[in-house]
Amino acid sequence: DAGVIQSPRHEVTEMGQEVTLRCKPISGHDYLFWYRQTMMRGLELLIYFNNNVPIDDSGMPEDRFSAKMPNASFSTLKIQPSEPRDSAVYFCVVGSGRAQQFFGPGTRLTVL
Amino acid sequence: GNSVTQMEGPVTLSEEAFLTINCTYTATGYPSLFWYVQYPGEGLQLLLKATKADDKGSNKGFEATYRKETTSFHLEKGSVQVSDSAVYFCALNSGGSNYKLTFGKGTLLTVNP
Repeated sequence: DAGVIQSPRHEVTEMGQEVTLRCKPISGHDYLFWYRQTMMRGLELLIYFNNNVPIDDSGMPEDRFSAKMPNASFSTLKIQPSEPRDSAVYFCVVGSGRAQQFFGPGTRLTVL
Repeated sequence: GNSVTQMEGPVTLSEEAFLTINCTYTATGYPSLFWYVQYPGEGLQLLLKATKADDKGSNKGFEATYRKETTSFHLEKGSVQVSDSAVYFCALNSGGSNYKLTFGKGTLLTVNP
């Protein structure tokens, strides 16, 4: 565990509400990834950053999703407005190049 | 594009049985290959990896050999324990300037006493 803190751990919200997921990587890694996990689709890469710069956001499902990384110690994933099909576990992951990637504990999002 | 195919689960074994979870891949170039494990309510943890053909990754009694000729990276363990019950994911990273991991769908392993 490279020390990735995600908050909240669980989020229940109603359709149409804005949701913000947060990630604080404690250790220094130059790559940060956001993945989504569902039973139907498995693990999907949404977006990743290198040195705080977004490199590939082709996995972001639609314009309702946005991600930011204002500094090396903080990133957010925002969904606005949220929909029931966004219900999933969202993982923040850090790594350095082709070396091991370290997963955070995840945020379980339920959109009613 | 890259893809990873794992044997579908669930897999149920008795303690001390032999485990094999098959994994094959499609990738351009020379990918690195990984097995991750996910325990209930947690994120994925790296179990083992191999970065070039014929490399064998090993950890906690688990092994997998990078077979380029068969594009496979099967996970094995000679004697499973109840504590090995988890979901196992095969993954690849095609390298270069692309550090995205491509995952298989995961295989649920349950080990009974």
